[in-house]
Amino acid sequence: MQLVESGGGLVQPGGSLRLSCAASSSAFSNYEMNWVRQAPGKGLEWISYINRSGRSPSYADSVMGRFTISRDNAKNALYLQMGSLRAEDTAVYYCTTGNRRQPLVLWGQGTLVTVSS
Amino acid sequence: QSVVTQPPSTSGTPGQRVSISCSGSSSNIGSNIVNWYQQFPGTAPKLLIYSNNQRPSGVPDRFSGSKSGTSASLAISGLQSEDEADYYCAAWDDNLNGYVFGTGTKVTVL
Repeated sequence: MQLVESGGGLVQPGGSLRLSCAASSSAFSNYEMNWVRQAPGKGLEWISYINRSGRSPSYADSVMGRFTISRDNAKNALYLQMGSLRAEDTAVYYCTTGNRRQPLVLWGQGTLVTVSS
Repeated sequence: QSVVTQPPSTSGTPGQRVSISCSGSSSNIGSNIVNWYQQFPGTAPKLLIYSNNQRPSGVPDRFSGSKSGTSASLAISGLQSEDEADYYCAAWDDNLNGYVFGTGTKVTVL
């Protein structure tokens, strides 16, 4: 299974953006999913997790209340709705498979989000 | 927010052995498996070690991992020029209900 992110771009501070992650096969429904981001020149930061059924999401403190993770297993897709964007949200955003017992194995190529006026 | 600490950088000459430490806490490394990722500039991270010390298919056996208590380490023996990259440890954090990554270590081959 391959993952392809899309939806990144330039957005003004305070704006919103929706990222998508398209999986290449219906095996997608068997995976628990995460979003991980990497600011320019910085390290990796996990930001959100969702289980196979789309319930029990969790978020890093840095995005809690501003970002919402969701999935549509019928479309083999994962989403990240981002709101109240700040300059510090500027990063490459990756979708990746994994949970507490499974490592983050499959990764997309990433999509760049730039928050700037 | 949970913090997992790695040295910012390490270096070695070809053929040498280098080691990267990863220090966490009871809610992450102390309670869950540790995984290691290798990342080259401009590319997505790649799983290098999983379940503390297991290598995915295709990863050379010069890479090895270990864990003890709330710390883990990655060793690269017989360092090669193509090993020059950034390395991150990661573990699930029970307080966060999500993954926490180490701060990352840049390996330079002299």
